Amino acid sequence: GIQVEQSPPDLILQEGANSTLRCNFSDSVNNLQWFHQNPWGQLINLFYIPSGTKQNGRLSATTVATERYSLLYISSSQTTDSGVYFCAVGSGGSNYKLTFGKGTLLTVNP
Amino acid sequence: ETGVTQSPTHLIKTRGQQVTLRCSSQSGHNTVSWYQQALGQGPQFIFQYYREEENGRGNFPPRFSGLQFPNYSSELNVNALELDDSALYLCASTKGVGNTIYFGEGSWLTVV
Repeated sequence: GIQVEQSPPDLILQEGANSTLRCNFSDSVNNLQWFHQNPWGQLINLFYIPSGTKQNGRLSATTVATERYSLLYISSSQTTDSGVYFCAVGSGGSNYKLTFGKGTLLTVNP
Repeated sequence: ETGVTQSPTHLIKTRGQQVTLRCSSQSGHNTVSWYQQALGQGPQFIFQYYREEENGRGNFPPRFSGLQFPNYSSELNVNALELDDSALYLCASTKGVGNTIYFGEGSWLTVV
């Protein structure tokens, strides 16, 4: 099956700093989503982005499908951005089945 | 607020018992998926239901089963619980395939 690798596994920032999270995947995809999981377990969808670039406030994402990677940018980070960020992909006829990476644990210190 | 609610939020079961977890999706979301998330790992796909029929399954044994109802609610049933079944169980819903997926807050299951 498709493999998803996220980097870095852990990231510690000071409030106000910018960061880039990366997601590499092993095969072509027709579904890619970024999620933020808070300490209580809630997964919040940030972007549905199988290709192209999207922005939402301080967050933006870019997926280069031909090179099999996606980037999540967080600017002017805040303590509330802390948590685990997951990239999840779906491919072919199984695009309903999302395969998740292991996540990036982001800690933003005041 | 994702519009997906799950119950119970926490529960403890004994090895060998059976458990039923429930999920209520947004109106119009005819596709529901269930995921298992072990501590420190990403969620793993269990199965998906579309219009009340299972239409995809991950690498989970038959003792994991589900139901989807016409009112956009669904259940995950796990029989003969094992210690390794201890995890966060997440329900996700979407309108068809290939769209934004919305997750509930999950049910934390501990098997002792």
